[in-house]
Amino acid sequence: KAGVTQTPRYLIKTRGQQVTLSCSPISGHRSVSWYQQTPGQGLQFLFEYFSETQRNKGNFPGRFSGRQFSNSRSEMNVSTLELGDSALYLCASSLSTGIGGELFFGEGSRLTVL
Amino acid sequence: AQKVTQAQTEISVVEKEDVTLDCVYETRDTTYYLFWYKQPPSGELVFLIRRNSFDEQNEISGRYSWNFQKSTSSFNFTITASQVVDSAVYFCALSEAQDQGAQKLVFGQGTRLTINP
Repeated sequence: KAGVTQTPRYLIKTRGQQVTLSCSPISGHRSVSWYQQTPGQGLQFLFEYFSETQRNKGNFPGRFSGRQFSNSRSEMNVSTLELGDSALYLCASSLSTGIGGELFFGEGSRLTVL
Repeated sequence: AQKVTQAQTEISVVEKEDVTLDCVYETRDTTYYLFWYKQPPSGELVFLIRRNSFDEQNEISGRYSWNFQKSTSSFNFTITASQVVDSAVYFCALSEAQDQGAQKLVFGQGTRLTINP
């Protein structure tokens, strides 16, 4: 069974550019979440999607957005990149909904902003 | 507000030693879940265990064991007879009910565990 796939794995952008990250969940999983991991702030929740609907959003500026497609694949977009956006972006999918669901994580997309 | 504290930033032990990773959480909900995840150098978070707030039974899985104590709001993780392959960053996380059934984990800062041969 294929795991959560994130693309690209590594990317370098410059300030002011925008970036789109992609996540393919495990087959059958309809919930997809995104997390940002930085050395200073640790792992922080960005947003969660279920059946193409954003159900929850973390405390991030509007430059961070996302969407989910009918096949449960998800993308997140960061516009007007800042140096502080350099991070590992992790996507997770879940079969269950609600608070007890086990999240399966991808290997992440490592974004470097110069 | 939800909060998870892992006071140990880094731990280094020699192989075969036992090691305990501490996790203390804060929540106002009576229904919540606690998790432990392992993050190897490759980056993905690997699920280790989930425990709900109504189940205080300790759990053992091979060399791993978990001690959940609601009275002290702690969910500690012990590795017995540690091995070099256990070297990783370990995260404790808390999940509370969210609107529309959404899932959201609040993570601790993580503990970097190094097992030296």
